[in-house]
Amino acid sequence: GQQLNQSPQSMFIQEGEDVSMNCTSSSIFNTWLWYKQEPGEGPVLLIALYKAGELTSNGRLTAQFGITRKDSFLNISASIPSDVGIYFCAGQLISNFGNEKLTFGTGTRLTIIP
Amino acid sequence: NAGVTQTPKFQVLKTGQSMTLQCAQDMNHEYMSWYRQDPGMGLRLIHYSVGAGITDQGEVPNGYNVSRSTTEDFPLRLLSAAPSQTSVYFCASSFTPSPGNTIYFGEGSWLTVV
Repeated sequence: GQQLNQSPQSMFIQEGEDVSMNCTSSSIFNTWLWYKQEPGEGPVLLIALYKAGELTSNGRLTAQFGITRKDSFLNISASIPSDVGIYFCAGQLISNFGNEKLTFGTGTRLTIIP
Repeated sequence: NAGVTQTPKFQVLKTGQSMTLQCAQDMNHEYMSWYRQDPGMGLRLIHYSVGAGITDQGEVPNGYNVSRSTTEDFPLRLLSAAPSQTSVYFCASSFTPSPGNTIYFGEGSWLTVV
């Protein structure tokens, strides 16, 4: 199956710092998605990207769909304590049958040091 | 505001036992799916359904069965539990398998097989 490499695996930063994480794939996707998961919860969608080269912001979050359609990054500016969690990238590919398939990255665990 | 509801939240099984994880959504979504989440591996697709009466296998279907008799419900059955099935299970749903349709996740079911 498709593989998504997400890096870094974990980050320890101080409040106020900017954060950057990325995902690369061995094959192309139609859509890139970024999710955040907090302890005991399911993933929640942060940003969806639909076109190669697209740059989208959601508050302090900015994500880009790579030109090659094989990569994406997520930036968080001026981190705050509630940013703590695990961030997942996911690539979406619509099969010939019309059903969507999501392939998830392995996650980036963000910890904010007081 | 129920969204995607999973039960049970926690379960301990003995090897060889069977059980069913329940998933229900009240958003009239056509597409439903089950994922498992293991440390360092992201979420992996087990089975999915594009509508009532239609199911298909995902990336890791072995040891699991599903059925979709109604639009609302998508139970996941473990026929003979094995320790390798110890994981966190997430049910998800969306309106249609079109790119960008928001995928909603349940809160997860923590399963331990001893």
